[in-house]
Amino acid sequence: DAMVIQNPRYQVTQFGKPVTLSCSQTLNHNVMYWYQQKSSQAPKLLFHYYDKDFNNEADTPDNFQSRRPNTSFCFLDIRSPGLGDAAMYLCATGGEMNTEAFFGQGTRLTVV
Amino acid sequence: AQKVTQAQTEISVVEKEDVTLDCVYETRDTTYYLFWYKQPPSGELVFLIRRNSFDEQNEISGRYSWNFQKSTSSFNFTITASQVVDSAVYFCALSGFMNTGFQKLVFGTGTRLLVSP
Repeated sequence: DAMVIQNPRYQVTQFGKPVTLSCSQTLNHNVMYWYQQKSSQAPKLLFHYYDKDFNNEADTPDNFQSRRPNTSFCFLDIRSPGLGDAAMYLCATGGEMNTEAFFGQGTRLTVV
Repeated sequence: AQKVTQAQTEISVVEKEDVTLDCVYETRDTTYYLFWYKQPPSGELVFLIRRNSFDEQNEISGRYSWNFQKSTSSFNFTITASQVVDSAVYFCALSGFMNTGFQKLVFGTGTRLLVSP
């Protein structure tokens, strides 16, 4: 059974139109991460939550926001998507320190 | 700063061949973790192995084996008798610790492995 679920798998949005990607987990992990992976590139961390504490990477654009209403769910909001934001967005969770991160299947975002 | 280099962009082999994927890393941390993940066409990153910086023992799991050499900052991955289902992008990653105490994965650029019948 999937432990980290991302919806939708594919999302098409218009240039400048806000879009929200969702992630849920059944692992009860404290930490949830959002990574951005552009075509043929490595995943890049955007931000992470430790419980409700939000931690932004220094180079994450202001256009990207996140919400975590409870342990199980985390959302990625892109306020005004540009063509350069087209990518695979990967959600991951982490439990106790030093364990591996568990990834969802990703949401592939297309901006038209 | 931490960095992971996977110099091989793409490797093509024929089924049953052995193949080694190279990974070289840079870090100033004395304690760190190294990972390999597999990314099949479906997109998710599948965890394969974690190795901490104090454990240089090589590991074998079925057809997979890993060679960690701290002296050369390398963590190479070998698939023995490759199969078509091994076709995927493989990422090597290094963990650093964020101010929350939890790890941040820094990924290499990945190696695409194509195994043909």
